[in-house]
Amino acid sequence: GQNIDQPTEMTATEGAIVQINCTYQTSGFNGLFWYQQHAGEAPTFLSYNVLDGLEEKGRFSSFLSRSKGYSYLLLKELQMKDSASYLCAVLDSNYQLIWGAGTKLIIKP
Amino acid sequence: GAVVSQHPSWVICKSGTSVKIECRSLDFQATTMFWYRQFPKQSLMLMATSNEGSKATYEQGVEKDKFLINHASLTLSTLTVTSAHPEDSSFYICSLKGEDNPRVLQETQYFGPGTRLLVL
Repeated sequence: GQNIDQPTEMTATEGAIVQINCTYQTSGFNGLFWYQQHAGEAPTFLSYNVLDGLEEKGRFSSFLSRSKGYSYLLLKELQMKDSASYLCAVLDSNYQLIWGAGTKLIIKP
Repeated sequence: GAVVSQHPSWVICKSGTSVKIECRSLDFQATTMFWYRQFPKQSLMLMATSNEGSKATYEQGVEKDKFLINHASLTLSTLTVTSAHPEDSSFYICSLKGEDNPRVLQETQYFGPGTRLLVL
């Protein structure tokens, strides 16, 4: 079966750095997405990785290792507004998007 | 770019009535449209996918006669919840995917703001 694993919840301090991991086992791979979802709102697109390596976009970076079936989202200089759920999703061989359950990130002052 | 709107943003209705939710792409043509449902503190659940010019493909367990999807054009999709009941109360979110457009990344889904439905 297809499976996306990410931690249910994480806590971090304002100004710090946090890494949210995602591992996947899917039938084929055509890319991995990270989305941010604030409570009560729809998801917003953060990043898309299809090749191995690190993609940096401001305070957020996303890393992919296809051989390990592993990705992480790195958030630097955390701000209170970064408190949200972070969803990992993988595009499988049929171009179907397989969603993880999301990681709820709690930022403390 | 990649702006998606949804209307209404929230709706309250009586049990047994039908509710129509519209999803529009404002600055790109959407070749594929998705409808999701999300219950409080739960994951996104894909309900159906529709491609341009073809009927929607429903996920297992989603009643196609209850949740009517019309992919009216490359910029508009509608979801009609027919004979809504309290258990249909949820957060309904559309997402769109486009191609060959500098405003959108390939294979990336862009979400509307969602519609909160409360059935009394």
